[in-house]
This record gives sequence, C-alpha cells and structure tokens, in this order.
Amino acid sequence: AQSVAQPEDQVNVAEGNPLTVKCTYSVSGNPYLFWYVQYPNRGLQFLLKYITGDNLVKGSYGFEAEFNKSQTSFHLKKPSALVSDSALYFCAVSVRISSGSARQLTFGSGTQLTVLP
Amino acid sequence: DTGVSQDPRHKITKRGQNVTFRCDPISEHNRLYWYRQTLGQGPEFLTYFQNEAQLEKSRLLSDRFSAERPKGSFSTLEIQRTEQGDSAMYLCASSLEVTGTEAFFGQGTRLTVV
Repeated sequence: AQSVAQPEDQVNVAEGNPLTVKCTYSVSGNPYLFWYVQYPNRGLQFLLKYITGDNLVKGSYGFEAEFNKSQTSFHLKKPSALVSDSALYFCAVSVRISSGSARQLTFGSGTQLTVLP
Repeated sequence: DTGVSQDPRHKITKRGQNVTFRCDPISEHNRLYWYRQTLGQGPEFLTYFQNEAQLEKSRLLSDRFSAERPKGSFSTLEIQRTEQGDSAMYLCASSLEVTGTEAFFGQGTRLTVV
C-alpha cells in the first residue's frame, strides 16, 4: 500500500534562515509526488510536483523540493524563510485509482511550519 | 472562474440531521474529487468523478454518504443521519484529464455535528 510520512509535526525556523520540511514515501512503481500548503481555515494550495525528469523541482513562492529515489524522500526546501511562510504543509503521493487513468492523492499527516521574526 | 468553489463554508447541524454540500469545480476540469480532513490529519480520499460518472468510492464512504455530479459540472455530497464522527472539513478538488496534473482544491466545508 502506498503511504507518505512526514516525521516532524512541527518545524520552527528563524526568518531569513533556510528551511526544510521532510517527507518520505512508500509506493510501488514510479511515484508522482506533490507538496501542498494550507493556511488556517483554507483549502490546500499546490506548491510543486515531481513527475519525472530533474530531481530538483522548483515551485511557487520560492519553494523547491528534491526527489531522492534511493532514500525515497521528497523534502521541501526554501533558501530563506519568510514569516508569511508559516502554515501547514502536506506531502502527497499520487496513486492510481482502479478505474482508468485517474489518480488519487494520499497525504502525509502534515507539518506545521512556524517562521519566527 | 478563479478556482474551485464550495458552499457552505461552515455548517453546524444536530446529530441525526441530513446535510448537503456543493462543489463547483474549475469549469474545464472533468475530474472531481471529494476528500475529508479531520483535525491534525491530512486529507483522506472519499470519492472521484470523471464527468458525471462516479468511478471510485473509498471504504470511508459509508452508506450514509452519497455524492452526485448530475451534469458533469457541479457536485453534491450528502450525509444522511449525521453522527458526531462526521465532524470534519470536507474538501473538493478538480483537475484536468492529464496524467500527472495537479488537483486544485476548494476552501472546504467545515461540518460540526452537535
């Protein structure tokens, strides 16, 4: 069965410092991996995805993520954190739905990022 | 059309009542998904539509839950005889029919069963 683990419930970082939010996955076959961000009482906003190609993918708001097949990881990174980056971050793996070519997302439990001024 | 729209944003209901939520996807998206998110957890898949056809239902979707997408546009999710355990955020998402494409989420409907 496919699964996603986010080992840290909470990550605190000072503004201006680099940040990393960790994600590991377990999936058969080639993974489609995603990061979403959720602000309080809001839906999820897409940040970036890895489907194939370059292991380093760049996304919205200066975020990037590195796909590491040998370590089955897809960590989210940003070189310089902003206070406005404080939010709940979800890693997800896309798994095939049994009917046809559509896929559903299996999410991790989320990591609360707090950027301190 | 700026995104996925869900209505209502909040719903408080008494245990045993029926509730219905609506989702309007991005207009050119023919795939529509419902997810449920409880406090402290990531969203969990409930069901999937391709156009008007409901092609997949999670085991989380008990007999009290029903979803429709009658004309392949908006969708409704109904919960009958609500229970306190149904309290959650219900998220709708839509996507294009393209392999690897991302899903776009609405802001969700927060249900509280009292």
